[in-house]
Amino acid sequence: DAGVIQSPRHEVTEMGQEVTLRCKPISGHNSLFWYRQTMMRGLELLIYFNNNVPIDDSGMPEDRFSAKMPNASFSTLKIQPSEPRDSAVYFCASSRDRISGYTFGSGTRLTVV
Amino acid sequence: DQQVKQNSPSLSVQEGRISILNCDYTNSMFDYFLWYKKYPAEGPTFLISISSIKDKNEDGRFTVFLNKSAKHLSLHIVPSQPGDSAVYFCAASAFYSGNTPLVFGKGTRLSVIA
Repeated sequence: DAGVIQSPRHEVTEMGQEVTLRCKPISGHNSLFWYRQTMMRGLELLIYFNNNVPIDDSGMPEDRFSAKMPNASFSTLKIQPSEPRDSAVYFCASSRDRISGYTFGSGTRLTVV
Repeated sequence: DQQVKQNSPSLSVQEGRISILNCDYTNSMFDYFLWYKKYPAEGPTFLISISSIKDKNEDGRFTVFLNKSAKHLSLHIVPSQPGDSAVYFCAASAFYSGNTPLVFGKGTRLSVIA
């Protein structure tokens, strides 16, 4: 298995532009998580899905952030409009179950200028 | 409010010595704890875990200790190797009592000096 695949690896965009981050989880994993890593807050959970259904989006910082999981093999995290303070590394992770732990993708480094 | 705290942002250790990384938590509902290791430009990878019914779990050079009364856990690496240089994240979940997602600390950057 290729693991959790995220794209793009790097994204540089101007303030106000829409940004879409993509994630392909491991086949057979039924939970998907979006985390954001910053120096100040470490790894913080933004949203997670079970069986493609959003369970908890309380970590999404603002209405500018939205996430979808249209099927078991694909998820997107969208920021519209983007702001410089959104600059961070965004990780997607999937899990077969909680006790197995999470498998993380390599992350997307987002820079908003 | 940080529910999982790693108060040491960085740690330097000589090769061959013991590395001890510490983690504190505030939520008494947490009952499952994990350590993840992260290299630059990669995602975190699972290292070792412990459930609240144990106070120690060992896997090769890595041992995790849990002190529930103090709400404290630690990761011991013996002996430390240069390849252990990475950021280590402590994570916790209320797995048995609510099945919540993992909550991570801010991480500790370990540098093992040859």
